[in-house]
Amino acid sequence: AQKITQTQPGMFVQEKEAVTLDCTYDTSDQSYGLFWYKQPSSGEMIFLIYQGSYDEQNATEGRYSLNFQKARKSANLVISASQLGDSAMYFCAMRESASGGSYIPTFGRGTSLIVHP
Amino acid sequence: GAVVSQHPSWVICKSGTSVKIECRSLDFQATTMFWYRQFPKQSLMLMATSNEGSKATYEQGVEKDKFLINHASLTLSTLTVTSAHPEDSSFYICSASRDGHSGANVLTFGAGSRLTVL
Repeated sequence: AQKITQTQPGMFVQEKEAVTLDCTYDTSDQSYGLFWYKQPSSGEMIFLIYQGSYDEQNATEGRYSLNFQKARKSANLVISASQLGDSAMYFCAMRESASGGSYIPTFGRGTSLIVHP
Repeated sequence: GAVVSQHPSWVICKSGTSVKIECRSLDFQATTMFWYRQFPKQSLMLMATSNEGSKATYEQGVEKDKFLINHASLTLSTLTVTSAHPEDSSFYICSASRDGHSGANVLTFGAGSRLTVL
């Protein structure tokens, strides 16, 4: 079963508008971490934002915020005031505990975001 | 911030040759490194978890004799694609974690290595 689900293969948004990228996850662990990464066409993976399973407040980092709804197991990324440079692939990822205590990260299929002027 | 250097960024080789990709953590000690493979317009597929001083843990379906991983120090992990064939052509990307036992530690990625096997 897929642990991270990103249902939007592609999204379009107009410059300066806000956009929400969806992510749902599946885990039976109590302690886990959720991440969002941006991958521009150059290929590098850029860390955007982190949310811990025990964090009560939604994480925010500049124009990025994470809408964490634990009961629904969703961790949507909200980008406010979109910029042309935000056009990229966005991956949701989760780290949960594995046997032996080491954390194994898994990634969703990604959402391609295109910001148009 | 944490920096991971991956080299080479791209490589073209003939079928049958071996290619080594290096992943270095420049300003922190990485007890755990992860190697991923990414096909065009697809997600990252975890290949193996590399632990310093011990054998790598390979994901199901990944040939350990084909993809040799060595993590000889706290700052360096290498992936060697042995007897490469065109189907091994892909984007390989490594990531490093300061502490593999904490979910809060951010994975820092290298810039990736694009392998083309002719």
